[in-house]
Amino acid sequence: DQQVKQNSPSLSVQEGRISILNCDYTNSMFDYFLWYKKYPAEGPTFLISISSIKDKNEDGRFTVFLNKSAKHLSLHIVPSQPGDSAVYFCAANSGYALNFGKGTSLLVTP
Amino acid sequence: DTGVSQDPRHKITKRGQNVTFRCDPISEHNRLYWYRQTLGQGPEFLTYFQNEAQLEKSRLLSDRFSAERPKGSFSTLEIQRTEQGDSAMYLCASSFGTANDEQYFGPGTRLTVT
Repeated sequence: DQQVKQNSPSLSVQEGRISILNCDYTNSMFDYFLWYKKYPAEGPTFLISISSIKDKNEDGRFTVFLNKSAKHLSLHIVPSQPGDSAVYFCAANSGYALNFGKGTSLLVTP
Repeated sequence: DTGVSQDPRHKITKRGQNVTFRCDPISEHNRLYWYRQTLGQGPEFLTYFQNEAQLEKSRLLSDRFSAERPKGSFSTLEIQRTEQGDSAMYLCASSFGTANDEQYFGPGTRLTVT
């Protein structure tokens, strides 16, 4: 049973524009969420996180928004750069285990 | 310390053979986790250790899978009598073990069972 869902398998964005990656979850007990970026043949790299006591967290070009009532979070990348092209995973922490979505493959074109 | 390391990076084995993978976590981290990732899926949690204690192992995929962390430092994941369905990327991660901390992943071991 997939408790974290990323419904867009892929996204293509032009360099300099905003990339918005979406994630939905079903378990209302989740209270900490993370985004990871993964290049081929590498492990996931931690990007940014957000606790359920906040609705926004920003780190440079990356901002994560959390809407608890809708059980939805999103990752905004502004401006997008070609080096951002990778697979992005949303994850929810259930105390020790991370529950991952299936990922969204982002392609940033020049 | 440059991060979580895993060895080997790739393993090809024949069905029925046993395989063992090693993970060296970030040295200050108390928790160590194992995940499995198959094509088109996100990583799937298998088990984790707090120091040398294995605190959750019910999500190991079958009794052919076992993990150890004998001295609270490196860990090994063993798969006995491998099957073709075991072909996947096996990822190790580590963290400090505080509430809401980030897990840092290694590069993974890609297992192919022929």
